[in-house]
Amino acid sequence: NAGVMQNPRHLVRRRGQEARLRCSPMKGHSHVYWYRQLPEEGLKFMVYLQKENIIDESGMPKERFSAEFPKEGPSILRIQQVVRGDSAAYFCASSRASGGSYNEQFFGPGTRLTVL
Amino acid sequence: AQSVTQLGSHVSVSEGALVLLRCNYSSSVPPYLFWYVQYPNQGLQLLLKYLSGSTLVKGINGFEAEFKKSETSFHLTKPSAHMSDAAEYFCAVSEKTSYDKVIFGPGTSLSVIP
Repeated sequence: NAGVMQNPRHLVRRRGQEARLRCSPMKGHSHVYWYRQLPEEGLKFMVYLQKENIIDESGMPKERFSAEFPKEGPSILRIQQVVRGDSAAYFCASSRASGGSYNEQFFGPGTRLTVL
Repeated sequence: AQSVTQLGSHVSVSEGALVLLRCNYSSSVPPYLFWYVQYPNQGLQLLLKYLSGSTLVKGINGFEAEFKKSETSFHLTKPSAHMSDAAEYFCAVSEKTSYDKVIFGPGTSLSVIP
């Protein structure tokens, strides 16, 4: 059973370009979470999505960042007009349906974004 | 609001020595508590978790942690450090609201000296 998959693993962009990060959850998981890890820091929650719905985006920067989890295909984290401060590791996690007992989040290997 | 603090951003131990990584949390409701390990340029791996029941939790690779409600602590220990334990360790807390939102501590980098 494949784990959470993220691609690309490494992404280099110049300032002003767009970055698209993809996350395929584990089989049977319908909930996706995105986290950002800045250098020398812990993971910070960005957004929580279910299929076709954004449930909690309280950790997302107000501008340039967006996320989606369509009915078919992977979840996408999109960063428009990237700046050097966006350089970080972006991790995706997935879980089974939430509610009731605890549902463990399983993490992908991350995408390391470098903005030149 | 939940939060997690980890005392010591860098900890060094000798191979074979006791590993102790400290974690304190704040939560308005009984929390779920976790320790994750991150090896260089890799994702996070769950070491152990406390959901309920026994306050002493055993995890993978010989690690264990004890939930102490009175001290709001969840310190991670291992009796004897191995070179392969060198990594970044994150303590995390989750509160059951509409979903399991996980809040991470800043991390502790563990070095093991031969």
